[in-house]
Amino acid sequence: AQSVSQHNHHVILSEAASLELGCNYSYGGTVNLFWYVQYPGQHLQLLLKYFSGDPLVKGIKGFEAEFIKSKFSFNLRKPSVQWSDTAEYFCAVRGSGGSNYKLTFGKGTLLTVNP
Amino acid sequence: EAQVTQNPRYLITVTGKKLTVTCSQNMNHEYMSWYRQDPGLGLRQIYYSMNVEVTDKGDVPEGYKVSRKEKRNFPLILESPSPNQTSLYFCASSHHRGTGNTIYFGEGSWLTVV
Repeated sequence: AQSVSQHNHHVILSEAASLELGCNYSYGGTVNLFWYVQYPGQHLQLLLKYFSGDPLVKGIKGFEAEFIKSKFSFNLRKPSVQWSDTAEYFCAVRGSGGSNYKLTFGKGTLLTVNP
Repeated sequence: EAQVTQNPRYLITVTGKKLTVTCSQNMNHEYMSWYRQDPGLGLRQIYYSMNVEVTDKGDVPEGYKVSRKEKRNFPLILESPSPNQTSLYFCASSHHRGTGNTIYFGEGSWLTVV
């Protein structure tokens, strides 16, 4: 069974600080990895995704993530956060096997950016 | 515009009163799924469908039913809602040939059962 672990429940930063949100997954085969963001009162939006190839993927709004296969990790980074990045961030994994192409989500990390 | 549309967006209902949350997508996606989001638990899959007339249970199917009579629609049915089904519900869809396909989410349906 696939699972996702997000290390931080709540992260509080000041504007211009650097961000790294941890994500580790468990799955016995080829996976696709995603980060989604949910702004207050809104639905999920895809930030970035990894399927194959370059393990460093760039997404929208200046976010990037690095897939490290040996560590089963897919950490999200941003060099300088803004107040508007305040949101909840979800890491998700989608396995390539089986008949259910479901996304398995982590429990989310709430990011608060203070101006 | 590619869309996953859910209705209603907000609903307060009473225990035991049957309700249906509709979901429709305009992208000709084979795969559709329902999730519920609860604080501290992230999103958990309720049911999914690989294609018309093909549905199966996800991680938390108890108390829910679904149907997939048409490719574009995937309604979530709560036959006898209970307060523990108070949650934020998301419908999602994607092509399923190739797991790298992006999953699109609806805007969510806030359901309160009193």
